[in-house]
Amino acid sequence: QQQVKQSPQSLIVQKGGISIINCAYENTAFDYFPWYQQFPGKGPALLIAIRPDVSEKKEGRFTISFNKSAKQFSLHIMDSQPGDSATYFCAASDANDYKLSFGAGTTVTVRA
Amino acid sequence: NAGVMQNPRHLVRRRGQEARLRCSPMKGHSHVYWYRQLPEEGLKFMVYLQKENIIDESGMPKERFSAEFPKEGPSILRIQQVVRGDSAAYFCASSPGTGSYEQYFGPGTRLTVT
Repeated sequence: QQQVKQSPQSLIVQKGGISIINCAYENTAFDYFPWYQQFPGKGPALLIAIRPDVSEKKEGRFTISFNKSAKQFSLHIMDSQPGDSATYFCAASDANDYKLSFGAGTTVTVRA
Repeated sequence: NAGVMQNPRHLVRRRGQEARLRCSPMKGHSHVYWYRQLPEEGLKFMVYLQKENIIDESGMPKERFSAEFPKEGPSILRIQQVVRGDSAAYFCASSPGTGSYEQYFGPGTRLTVT
């Protein structure tokens, strides 16, 4: 069973707009939540990550919001640019063996 | 400052042949993870290795698949007697070691079985 559920499957946003991707998890042992960005034909690149002791983390135009009680976290891409067009994956892991459980991915298209 | 290296980048095998995928972790990293990505799907964990040890192989198919990470040299994912369903992108990721959550991915090997 998929341990991390991601939505939407795809989204289209205008240049300068905000892209929002949501993820939910069931395993309460998860304590590390990264987001990866993947371009076609490339490997996933670590974008930003959060631990459950904070509710928000911001790096540049990318922000993770984390709701521990709801077991949900989301990625916000502010001022979206055409270069942000990619597939984004949320993931989660725990300190048992650090293996990542991935969401199914969201394809983001930013229209100029 | 080389990242995670994987080779070959593309591999074509006929049904029944063996596929051997290599992964060299980032310098200073001693932990390697292998993931498989089927078309239009997310990545699925296969196996977690440290030097000379398999730590977790819960995601590996029980037959035909094996992995190793020898004391010297790259980690190798071996698929024997490949079938069409093995066609996928195989990614390895490395991390510095126990206590480190961050994993850095290589460019992947795209396996096509004809």
